[in-house]
Amino acid sequence: EDKVVQSPLSLVVHEGDTVTLNCSYEVTNFRSLLWYKQEKKAPTFLFMLTSSGIEKKSGRLSSILDKKELFSILNITATQTGDSAIYLCAASDRGSTLGRLYFGRGTQLTVWP
Amino acid sequence: EAQVTQNPRYLITVTGKKLTVTCSQNMNHEYMSWYRQDPGLGLRQIYYSMNVEVTDKGDVPEGYKVSRKEKRNFPLILESPSPNQTSLYFCASSRGDSYEQYFGPGTRLTVT
Repeated sequence: EDKVVQSPLSLVVHEGDTVTLNCSYEVTNFRSLLWYKQEKKAPTFLFMLTSSGIEKKSGRLSSILDKKELFSILNITATQTGDSAIYLCAASDRGSTLGRLYFGRGTQLTVWP
Repeated sequence: EAQVTQNPRYLITVTGKKLTVTCSQNMNHEYMSWYRQDPGLGLRQIYYSMNVEVTDKGDVPEGYKVSRKEKRNFPLILESPSPNQTSLYFCASSRGDSYEQYFGPGTRLTVT
């Protein structure tokens, strides 16, 4: 059965801490891994990863994919209260576009001031 | 303004009464998809469409129907809603050559 597992499910940190969110996957015909951030409304796209070992970076957020060990991590450095959100990862079975998407349950990150 | 719109935003209905949730995008996107979100379960894909007249099942298609007769619209139909379909529903779209999905604001459905 295809699945995506995220850990931890919930995380509470203080501003300034660095966090690592994990996403492992077992998806037939895996092609890409996507990360989303969801605050109180709809998810917003963060990263798409298709190649192992190549880090994607956007400000204090970065992500990397390991296709041998079937996992991805999302790092957030110097966390701020605005980083509080649910972080979702999803695996896609298409190489150049979206198709069937398998989502994990998400990690609820809370950043205290 | 580029956007994905959903209607209605909130709906309370009774078991068995057919309903349709509309989804429309004004970005000429090829890909559209429906998701449901339940507490602690993340997002689950219901159906997706790669283009007009092309639809495929996602994770949880049972009890739902979709159609894609026009590029901009992708309605979600519940022929006979049941209480276990009470959920928050999101529609999303993206260009055919992109991974970046744009989500609608969500429709909160309650089936009693």
